[in-house]
Amino acid sequence: DPKIIQKPKYLVAVTGSEKILICEQYLGHNAMYWYRQSAKKPLEFMFSYSYQKLMDNQTASSRFQPQSSKKNHLDLQITALKPDDSATYFCASSQATANTGQLYFGEGSKLTVL
Amino acid sequence: QQKVQQSPESLTVSEGAMASLNCTFSDGTSNNFRWYRQHSAKGLEVLVSIFSDGEKEEGRFTAHLNRANLHVSLHIREPQPSDSAVYLCAVSSSNTNKVVFGTGTRLQVLP
Repeated sequence: DPKIIQKPKYLVAVTGSEKILICEQYLGHNAMYWYRQSAKKPLEFMFSYSYQKLMDNQTASSRFQPQSSKKNHLDLQITALKPDDSATYFCASSQATANTGQLYFGEGSKLTVL
Repeated sequence: QQKVQQSPESLTVSEGAMASLNCTFSDGTSNNFRWYRQHSAKGLEVLVSIFSDGEKEEGRFTAHLNRANLHVSLHIREPQPSDSAVYLCAVSSSNTNKVVFGTGTRLQVLP
């Protein structure tokens, strides 16, 4: 059974719309992350959360907003979508900080913006 | 800003031949290194972790770390077609909670 669940697996959106990517982890981890992977770039760090608090943010745009309603949830809201946002978004978690524990990844949510 | 580069971009080997992948990083304070594998845009699985200079073996996967040379490598012994995937080097340091991934090496193992 997958321990990190991402929903939806695939989604198509139109430019200017808003989408929420869901992530739940059942590993009992305290830290969660979002990464983005597109055809043009390597796997790119976006956010890290520890105990539901933002630790690090490398996303330039405020259109990307993580939301943590529970310790094992870290959703990603994306507003005013652009075609360049098309990518696979991976959620990950670790027991403690990423520097001490390995990352466990979900299978990703592939977003296509038309 | 940490830069992590991998070489080669792609590698084709025959089943049973050793496969060697390279990773260089820019931050000399880095002290946490992992190799991950990704099959066809799916989630990543960790293969081997290494935290000090030298060698670390996990089954058929061996990592070599030389922090002075800012270099970490992965050697795959007796690769099989099922090892065909993208291999990613991941680097972090104790003063950040951020893991930076390399550009990836696409490995193809021919039967």
